[in-house]
Amino acid sequence: AQSVTQLDSHVSVSEGTPVLLRCNYSSSYSPSLFWYVQHPNKGLQLLLKYTSAATLVKGINGFEAEFKKSETSFHLTKPSAHMSDAAEYFCVVTLSGSARQLTFGSGTQLTVLP
Amino acid sequence: NAGVMQNPRHLVRRRGQEARLRCSPMKGHSHVYWYRQLPEEGLKFMVYLQKENIIDESGMPKERFSAEFPKEGPSILRIQQVVRGDSAAYFCASSPGQEIYEKLFFGSGTQLSVL
Repeated sequence: AQSVTQLDSHVSVSEGTPVLLRCNYSSSYSPSLFWYVQHPNKGLQLLLKYTSAATLVKGINGFEAEFKKSETSFHLTKPSAHMSDAAEYFCVVTLSGSARQLTFGSGTQLTVLP
Repeated sequence: NAGVMQNPRHLVRRRGQEARLRCSPMKGHSHVYWYRQLPEEGLKFMVYLQKENIIDESGMPKERFSAEFPKEGPSILRIQQVVRGDSAAYFCASSPGQEIYEKLFFGSGTQLSVL
């Protein structure tokens, strides 16, 4: 069984300040973990993925996430927020990689203030 | 190359009416997945279709819900006699043939509101 918890439903940051979106997972075996982003009126887009290689994963648009097995976490970070980062972010876990067996978190809405 | 197109973007129905949600996959994609996101929850898998075939409908409610992906035209998710609990965002995704997340492209979703 697997599950994922996004600890914050809404996060607000000022432009130019760091971003931290928190995600904790539960899985019986070694999972694959991803972050998806959904900008307004757009489809979900794969931001980055962890598949048991390097624990620090770099994604698009300057985002990165670190897989911490001891803390069962996969938090998403960015050193400096940009207005265009405002979107909804979904943390996802899967054991098989199958599109039928993706477990999504409930999402975190990121607001970037000028 | 247009992405996955879903329409309508918003759909309002009264209880007891029918809702039809459409999904046109990316060009060259023959596999379609539907997911539902209930309020305050994550997306959940509903059904997986290839052209003219339902491959896996294990996530579909047993009654009132059906899906099709005809040889020509978009995939349709149909909800008969809608109830308030059907209010949700419905997302469609397509892939070119491999059933793995890396090849998955999502639409922007249809928000269904049942009055």
